[in-house]
Amino acid sequence: GAVVSQHPSWVICKSGTSVKIECRSLDFQATTMFWYRQFPKQSLMLMATSNEGSKATYEQGVEKDKFLINHASLTLSTLTVTSAHPEDSSFYICSATPLDLSYEQYFGPGTRLTVT
Amino acid sequence: QQPVQSPQAVILREGEDAVINCSSSKALYSVHWYRQKHGEAPVFLMILLKGGEQKGHEKISASFNEKKQQSSLYLTASQLSYSGTYFCGTEIMDSNSGYALNFGKGTSLLVTP
Repeated sequence: GAVVSQHPSWVICKSGTSVKIECRSLDFQATTMFWYRQFPKQSLMLMATSNEGSKATYEQGVEKDKFLINHASLTLSTLTVTSAHPEDSSFYICSATPLDLSYEQYFGPGTRLTVT
Repeated sequence: QQPVQSPQAVILREGEDAVINCSSSKALYSVHWYRQKHGEAPVFLMILLKGGEQKGHEKISASFNEKKQQSSLYLTASQLSYSGTYFCGTEIMDSNSGYALNFGKGTSLLVTP
């Protein structure tokens, strides 16, 4: 089956620093990758849609200058949380849509970010 | 655009059945069902695309009504491994986000021995 990886799986950083999270599709090419954020006991909330070679589309209320997304290739998308603050602490999950299975999404294992 | 899930939580004894509902005020292009264990990413269960569709996966099945505004997930003869939070993810007809899903708030399911 399609496998999506994320790195790191868990990161702790100090307030004011930036953190980069990678999302890779390991055995398929992904036209589109999605970034979600999930707070404890809450639903996944879509942050942005990332298409290879073009600018990401951000959902309303998500600051594009704070959450930088770069979709460098058909297998890699990165999310950089700039100048992180404690309220950015969350579980960040990416998903990827295969080129030939556009209706399906495969989720990465998630990255738990804690900002102190 | 967030779909509404019900119930919020349910506790079952092993072997019992459960139904989880997901509804939208707008016609949907697709409905996806996921199960998430604590601290883990969601795991894909199934997708429904056609009105009136029913789809099964072992003892877990789902339906999509004709109007494509409601879906139900059926858990039959529940097992301990079914415990987790179930999310429906929906894509509305007029979405311009290209397959982006909006998730319901989830239904927490606990199966006890």
